[in-house]
Amino acid sequence: GESVGLHLPTLSVQEGDNSIINCAYSNSASDYFIWYKQESGKGPQFIIDIRSNMDKRQGQRVTVLLNKTVKHLSLQIAATQPGDSAVYFCAENNQAGTALIFGKGTTLSVSS
Amino acid sequence: GAVVSQHPSRVICKSGTSVKIECRSLDFQATTMFWYRQFPKKSLMLMATSNEGSKATYEQGVEKDKFLINHASLTLSTLTVTSAHPEDSSFYICSALDGSYGYTFGSGTRLTVV
Repeated sequence: GESVGLHLPTLSVQEGDNSIINCAYSNSASDYFIWYKQESGKGPQFIIDIRSNMDKRQGQRVTVLLNKTVKHLSLQIAATQPGDSAVYFCAENNQAGTALIFGKGTTLSVSS
Repeated sequence: GAVVSQHPSRVICKSGTSVKIECRSLDFQATTMFWYRQFPKKSLMLMATSNEGSKATYEQGVEKDKFLINHASLTLSTLTVTSAHPEDSSFYICSALDGSYGYTFGSGTRLTVV
């Protein structure tokens, strides 16, 4: 993930809109990626993951896209709801059993 | 699914005292646990990797004598912040790794040193 020295960027959307949250990763050897949702004062909550042998994976209302060429990961949330408001982090891992490294995160604000 | 319990959720301590944070995997055994630190509006920063029965591996810049990690069993890792100072105030989060459930995170501990 990127340096953690910068403040989190923000994304504001209206309820019902689709949201796209982006993440750039730095380690080309990373082969496992996870998106997490973190609400204020809580630990990260798993949303969806993807391995490097895939470029797209879909879950319920969420889709993760992986572009290894440019080392870019995105999370798409369909029909965004107020309950989706949180900070979203991408995390990467380049060796099984080792720690996840987190990207800098994006604050999603959903207004109704 | 896998559950990781982290305790306490909040703690306030005086400067110079030590604080212990517990991280327990409730329904699975975790050979590896990880400790992260998070400042307000920032990302999670890995502090150390804890393996059961062996010494923790600390990330560069993390003082191992200040942040003592013990992983004495497959279900419990502890982080002790020794001689805490106000700059140690932060949100500390643990994560446990299991082959079946992957990475599971605790709910975090808000440490305030006054």
